[in-house]
Amino acid sequence: QKEVEQNSGPLSVPEGAIASLNCTYSDRGSQSFFWYRQYSGKSPELIMSIYSNGDKEDGRFTAQLNKASQYVSLLIRDSQPSDSATYLCAVNEGGGFKTIFGAGTRLFVKA
Amino acid sequence: DGGITQSPKYLFRKEGQNVTLSCEQNLNHDAMYWYRQDPGQGLRLIYYSQIVNDFQKGDIAEGYSVSREKKESFPLTVTSAQKNPTAFYLCASSTPGRSKESTEAFFGQGTRLTVV
Repeated sequence: QKEVEQNSGPLSVPEGAIASLNCTYSDRGSQSFFWYRQYSGKSPELIMSIYSNGDKEDGRFTAQLNKASQYVSLLIRDSQPSDSATYLCAVNEGGGFKTIFGAGTRLFVKA
Repeated sequence: DGGITQSPKYLFRKEGQNVTLSCEQNLNHDAMYWYRQDPGQGLRLIYYSQIVNDFQKGDIAEGYSVSREKKESFPLTVTSAQKNPTAFYLCASSTPGRSKESTEAFFGQGTRLTVV
């Protein structure tokens, strides 16, 4: 059984701080990695996708991938109360269509 | 506007009934998926389909059935064999990217199913 592991949290950070969310995965054949944000009672929405080792930046968000360590992270700079949500890490299985989601990390940004 | 439409938003099922959740997409995506989410949990894959008239079981397919007769549509039936169907059901679609990379999944707004 392929797995995606996340710390369930909650992770609490003050407004303006950097929030760091981490994820590990078990399938060494995975090629595509995603971070989704999910507000309570709503469907997930894509924040970042990353396919190559290293960092990928988009506005206040930076995704980091290390395939050798099977580790992917998401940094949120200048955190805002509106960033308070559950963040889901998702990994596609072995280059195929099947995407496996982690249980998510709940983030609280305190004003 | 392109997107994925799930209906209904809320659904109530009596014990022993089969119910069907609708999912339609106009994004021209090849792949479609059904996930189940329980409170405080992540998404678990029920079924997925890469092309019309073909679909594969996910991790928790027991008690569920699907069909893919059209590219745009991927309905999910929750049968009476599913003993604990109360959950939030999410439909998604995606299209393949370049070699070994899949593009992100786009989600519908979800259907919240409750057994009464």
